[in-house]
Amino acid sequence: DGGITQSPKYLFRKEGQNVTLSCEQNLNHDAMYWYRQDPGQGLRLIYYSQIVNDFQKGDIAEGYSVSREKKESFPLTVTSAQKNPTAFYLCASSSRVLTFGSGTRLTVV
Amino acid sequence: QKEVEQNSGPLSVPEGAIASLNCTYSDRGSQSFFWYRQYSGKSPELIMSIYSNGEKEDGRFTAQLNKASQYVSLLIRDSQPSDSATYLCAVLNYGQNFVFGPGTRLSVLP
Repeated sequence: DGGITQSPKYLFRKEGQNVTLSCEQNLNHDAMYWYRQDPGQGLRLIYYSQIVNDFQKGDIAEGYSVSREKKESFPLTVTSAQKNPTAFYLCASSSRVLTFGSGTRLTVV
Repeated sequence: QKEVEQNSGPLSVPEGAIASLNCTYSDRGSQSFFWYRQYSGKSPELIMSIYSNGEKEDGRFTAQLNKASQYVSLLIRDSQPSDSATYLCAVLNYGQNFVFGPGTRLSVLP
């Protein structure tokens, strides 16, 4: 079945630590996106990529980094510069509509 | 002004009633509009997409679009307790980004 796989489902980060969230898709979509969702809030765009080896900052890119070396993969790194990273992170890909992965819940410990 | 606005709710309706969800957007260049349903702790799933003025029906769901008023709505007929969720309105804007509203929490009471 085609879809988007995010891993891990739960992730714990210590202060000062960088962590990487994985996102893989086999839908053959060119565009991929990372969103952050805080409790009771909508989705805010972190980064997006329309094509391999190219990506753009979204509304809340500070403290995050991405890479797009392959069409299928769009990993997100949450750096130590992101002071409040506890949130639900959603990866998505698109042809004409957005399809989401199951999400990664990140908690600072 | 936020790009996509929705009433946060909660919106409570009795089982079997019609639930009406509303959304307004600011980017007049937007061409594509979507409704997603999100259960607590889960990722959003697409319910409806609509691209031209008028109505689009799919089962118990009807989406309505009025580009002149920059308004999108979703009607859920014969609401069921399983429809209780947060409904997210999304707009594909001129920059080819999907922008989401804050969501409306719907509660269908048995």
